[in-house]
Amino acid sequence: AQKVTQAQTEISVVEKEDVTLDCVYETRDTTYYLFWYKQPPSGELVFLIRRNSFDEQNEISGRYSWNFQKSTSSFNFTITASQVVDSAVYFCALSDRIQGAQKLVFGQGTRLTINP
Amino acid sequence: DTEVTQTPKHLVMGMTNKKSLKCEQHMGHRAMYWYKQKAKKPPELMFVYSYEKLSINESVPSRFSPECPNSSLLNLHLHALQPEDSALYLCASSQELGTNYGYTFGSGTRLTVV
Repeated sequence: AQKVTQAQTEISVVEKEDVTLDCVYETRDTTYYLFWYKQPPSGELVFLIRRNSFDEQNEISGRYSWNFQKSTSSFNFTITASQVVDSAVYFCALSDRIQGAQKLVFGQGTRLTINP
Repeated sequence: DTEVTQTPKHLVMGMTNKKSLKCEQHMGHRAMYWYKQKAKKPPELMFVYSYEKLSINESVPSRFSPECPNSSLLNLHLHALQPEDSALYLCASSQELGTNYGYTFGSGTRLTVV
């Protein structure tokens, strides 16, 4: 079965520190997609990145970077020089196909607090 | 317009009330979704619509009734809810069903059942 594990329930760091959020997944599929979403206190889920299973290239977007390692089934997310505005709950998610539709299977989320 | 708009943002309803949640998008997306998120939990899929037809119902109780009147609008009708139904209800859309482009989510409706 599809499963996503975010072992870190809560992380608290001081502003400007680097922080890495871990994500480990299990899937029966050879083709799949992984996502990261940010959920600030306002509630909306903000899309951060999508990665397909054939693209293991790491990605950097500003202060954000993602490390996809198929060999260890991990898709970790690093924030460099963290800022207070990065405080949110972060969800890693895996695509699952049911009845021809895409369903997102979410991890339990990591609550990140950046202290000034 | 790259947003999914949900109304109302907050709703308090009694167990005998009937209310509706509304979701709207104008991105031309043909798949729309309802997710339910309990406090400190991840979102869980409830319904999937594709081209205005219900594709998936994840064994949701009949007191939740979805409706897709047109390609831009998705409603969730609520009737005889229980206090345990209190949650954040998120609407999302994607270009097509199964395209794996990821969803665009709305900001949700925080529902409290009293």
